[in-house]
Amino acid sequence: QQQVKQSPQSLIVQKGGISIINCAYENTAFDYFPWYQQFPGKGPALLIAIRPDVSEKKEGRFTISFNKSAKQFSLHIMDSQPGDSATYFCAPHSGNTPLVFGKGTRLSVIA
Amino acid sequence: GAVVSQHPSWVICKSGTSVKIECRSLDFQATTMFWYRQFPKQSLMLMATSNEGSKATYEQGVEKDKFLINHASLTLSTLTVTSAHPEDSSFYICSARDAQRAPPGELFFGEGSRLTVL
Repeated sequence: QQQVKQSPQSLIVQKGGISIINCAYENTAFDYFPWYQQFPGKGPALLIAIRPDVSEKKEGRFTISFNKSAKQFSLHIMDSQPGDSATYFCAPHSGNTPLVFGKGTRLSVIA
Repeated sequence: GAVVSQHPSWVICKSGTSVKIECRSLDFQATTMFWYRQFPKQSLMLMATSNEGSKATYEQGVEKDKFLINHASLTLSTLTVTSAHPEDSSFYICSARDAQRAPPGELFFGEGSRLTVL
């Protein structure tokens, strides 16, 4: 399960700052590019996702940017809040195939 | 939105006993469910793909005789950890896709089951 490389492993951001997490993949057959958010002791939940026909999608403070030629996509969290502190996983996949998760990025937003 | 319910949320058992974890899709039908295992501060690792009415597909290195998966209906999959040992202690998470939704995409996750084997 090494098709996905996520960076950084951990991130500390000041409250109000921008958090940026990156995901690089190898499989060009992937057609769904989600980011999942997981709080300690809980299952992951879909945060935002994009399909390859668009290069950017914004939902509130969360933006996902997609670069098909570079086989990368990223998550931007604007105006980061302490409540955003969690572990974030990218999990690109295609069709009905199971998700292969990146190793995760532990985000800490400090006041 | 779609909800996946997992039970129990935590369980403690003695070494050598078996533990069953249930995963239910509450408001949609799931022909396929996935079981993941997560160790502390690590990512989710796919254990097996559970197919309704047929045998599960296990990932390499996962013992199918130890982790029994049954997907008897479109809304229920169970994972039984047989003869559990302390090294089986982990966070087990199930997930499911809405079979009626097209195109397929979002995977809904249960809340996870924390297994501690003494």
